[in-house]
Parts: sequence; C-alpha cells; structure tokens
Amino acid sequence: TQLLEQSPQFLSIQEGENLTVYCNSSSVFSSLQWYRQEPGEGPVLLVTVVTGGEVKKLKRLTFQFGDARKDSSLHITAAQPGDTGLYLCAGAWSGGSNYKLTFGKGTLLTVNP
Amino acid sequence: ETGVTQSPTHLIKTRGQQVTLRCSSQSGHNTVSWYQQALGQGPQFIFQYYREEENGRGNFPPRFSGLQFPNYSSELNVNALELDDSALYLCASSSRGRGEKLFFGSGTQLSVL
Repeated sequence: TQLLEQSPQFLSIQEGENLTVYCNSSSVFSSLQWYRQEPGEGPVLLVTVVTGGEVKKLKRLTFQFGDARKDSSLHITAAQPGDTGLYLCAGAWSGGSNYKLTFGKGTLLTVNP
Repeated sequence: ETGVTQSPTHLIKTRGQQVTLRCSSQSGHNTVSWYQQALGQGPQFIFQYYREEENGRGNFPPRFSGLQFPNYSSELNVNALELDDSALYLCASSSRGRGEKLFFGSGTQLSVL
C-alpha cells in the first residue's frame, strides 16, 4: 500500500505569518497534486507538479516537488484568514493513472485575524 | 463552481439500509471517480467509471457499486449500510486524454445510525 504522510496535521497561526506544510512518501510519484478543501465543500485543485525539483508559484503559495519525486512542500507567505482550510496532497504513482489519486490525511490550517 | 453537482447534500440512513447517491459531471467530461472521506481523513478512492464501465477500484467491498450513464452522470450505491460508512462521499469528474485535473462536487454527507 502506497501511503502519503502530511505534516503537521494541525496548524494555527496569526495573520501575516509564513508557514510550510509537507507531504512525504517512501515511493516515487509520477505526479503530485495539492488541493484546498473548505468545510462543506469538495477539494479544489491548486497545482500539479510533475518534474523532480519543480517549483510552482500561485500568488503567495509556493509549491516544490523534491528532486527524487518522493516529497513535496507548500509554503504560504503572509498568510491571510482566507487561507484557512484543509490542505491535501494527492499522488499518482508510475504505472497507475493520474486520475486515480491517493490522498494524504491533510493539514488543517487556521489563520487567525 | 466546478460544474459537478451531487445529490442529495445530506442523508440519514439506518444500519442495513441501502442508499443511492447521484453525480452529474462537468460538461465535456467523460470520467467519473468516487471517493469516501471519513471525518478527519483525506478522500479514499472507491472506483472510477469511464465510458459506462468500471475502470479501477479501491479497497472497498462489493456492496459498494456504481453506474455511469450515457450522459456521463453516475450513481454510487451502497448496500447493507454499516455505521463506518458514515462519511462525505465525493464525486470527481475529469476528461481522459486532456490532462489529470479532477473537479470535485461538494459531496453528499451520509450519516448511518
């Protein structure tokens, strides 16, 4: 069974602080996606990373894929209350379909005003 | 708005009953995947349908079954409900051959008493 571990599980910070959340596996990903999920809603895709060492930026969010494609991180600069939500990473492995994703348990982020 | 609609939004059943959940995929999408998200967990892959046939299944028993219709909408059926089936059931649509982006609906919250 291929597992994705996310850390930390919970994170509560003040508005304006920076934070990083992590996603790790012992297996090599063919691609990895990050989602944000708000209460009562389905996950919304933020980014897909495919190439080892890849860095993608989405406004104040920076996503990095590890060189060995076994890990990824999400860094948020100057967090805002609107960033509050459950951040999920989801991986697809070589030989599988990118449509059949395995999700981590998520990091529940609370940004206090 | 992802264009993926699920019904009903909430449902209460008792142990042993049967339930049918429905999903309308985004226009132009030919693939539907179903995920189960228990409280405090990430979504777990149940199965996927492509061109009205099951195309991959996660670690769920046969009492979880599905259908996809010619208009690409889908149903998830669960027989002999158990207390542990209480969860948020998410439907995601995608378009095979056009990348790996999944678009999730808001889910059906199922409570089994």
